[in-house]
Amino acid sequence: NAGVTQTPKFRILKIGQSMTLQCTQDMNHNYMYWYRQDPGMGLKLIYYSVGAGITDKGEVPNGYNVSRSTTEDFPLRLELAAPSQTSVYFCASSYTIETLYTGELFFGEGSRLTVL
Amino acid sequence: KQEVTQIPAALSVPEGENLVLNCSFTDSAIYNLQWFRQDPGKGLTSLLLIQSSQREQTSGRLNASLDKSSGRSTLYIAASQPGDSATYLCAVRVRWGGSEKLVFGKGTKLTVNP
Repeated sequence: NAGVTQTPKFRILKIGQSMTLQCTQDMNHNYMYWYRQDPGMGLKLIYYSVGAGITDKGEVPNGYNVSRSTTEDFPLRLELAAPSQTSVYFCASSYTIETLYTGELFFGEGSRLTVL
Repeated sequence: KQEVTQIPAALSVPEGENLVLNCSFTDSAIYNLQWFRQDPGKGLTSLLLIQSSQREQTSGRLNASLDKSSGRSTLYIAASQPGDSATYLCAVRVRWGGSEKLVFGKGTKLTVNP
């Protein structure tokens, strides 16, 4: 059981380059999330999705875009990378029935991105 | 605005000691509270999930309690081992816009010395 899988694990970008962080889950979870983790700052929500075809902004969405064409995949795209986007990015998923049941959150191993 | 605080930020104990990690949150309107463990350079591993209607959850040497009215949760680790060394994060699930999100504390870094 793979759970939540993220690729790549590490990446170095130059300022202004673009890239996509891949995330896939095999648990048939409806909710998926992208977080970034910065030292001393905790985890901040970038974007989330409550199901295929539905995405919405989190707390820190500027400079990022997402899509959710299938239940399994939730890629995060960085456009015009900036040094402020140097961080560790985590994808997560859960099964949730809104207002009725909120399930356990499962995380990927993370993608460490450096923008120089 | 929901805020989650974890005290202490770091804790060092000798092997075998029982210990308690604290988590407090400012708004009692939560769906659930989840404790995670994070090893250096790794992702977050879920330890325990407590739904808002529950008071505690147990898994092996771990016991987590939830007091919504006072905005507090504790994670109790019995007979600590060096392998328990990691950063422990708590997060509360809250209503946010048209959906839900987790609000994380900044974690307690635990070191268990042999």
